[in-house]
Amino acid sequence: GAVVSQHPSRVICKSGTSVKIECRSLDFQATTMFWYRQFPKQSLMLMATSNEGSKATYEQGVEKDKFLINHASLTLSTLTVTSAHPEDSSFYICSARTPGAYTFGSGTRLTVV
Amino acid sequence: AQSVTQLGSHVSVSEGALVLLRCNYSSSVPPYLFWYVQYPNQGLQLLLKYTTGATLVKGINGFEAEFKKSETSFHLTKPSAHMSDAAEYFCAPHYNFGNEKLTFGTGTRLTIIP
Repeated sequence: GAVVSQHPSRVICKSGTSVKIECRSLDFQATTMFWYRQFPKQSLMLMATSNEGSKATYEQGVEKDKFLINHASLTLSTLTVTSAHPEDSSFYICSARTPGAYTFGSGTRLTVV
Repeated sequence: AQSVTQLGSHVSVSEGALVLLRCNYSSSVPPYLFWYVQYPNQGLQLLLKYTTGATLVKGINGFEAEFKKSETSFHLTKPSAHMSDAAEYFCAPHYNFGNEKLTFGTGTRLTIIP
């Protein structure tokens, strides 16, 4: 079946630095990918829709300059958390539309210290 | 807004007992409906889905759900709970109006009592 690979699974960074999270579709082409954020014991919040070859579509309230999304190929989307602060610490999950459903990456636990 | 409601943020059942997790959608047009499971620090895994056709849908790990248009519900059930079922469960509607976004209910944390 369709597999979405997300890396890294865990990352710790210092406040003020930037962190890049990668999401790859391994055996299919994903023209559209989705990025979610999940706070502890809460549901997934859609941050943005990543479109191959064009600008991402951000949900209301999500800072475009803080969360940079690049979807340069049909198999790779990246989320860069710029100038990270402790409040950006969270669990980030990517997803891609596959025939009949959505396939999710395994998530990235970001801790900003 | 078109959404789903998951009644009960926490559900506890004894091992071997019936599992019932509730999901109601709010739309005059029935959406496609998904149930996903999330284990700690992991992504989401598709349990089952309803698109069209048969209203009783069987999924993985012994779970099933029945789409009831008259009740606008898509409750998830399993006849006999297993310890490995302890996880977070999310109901998600997809409205096929040209918008590919998938948004989620608030989730239900299932705890299994030995």
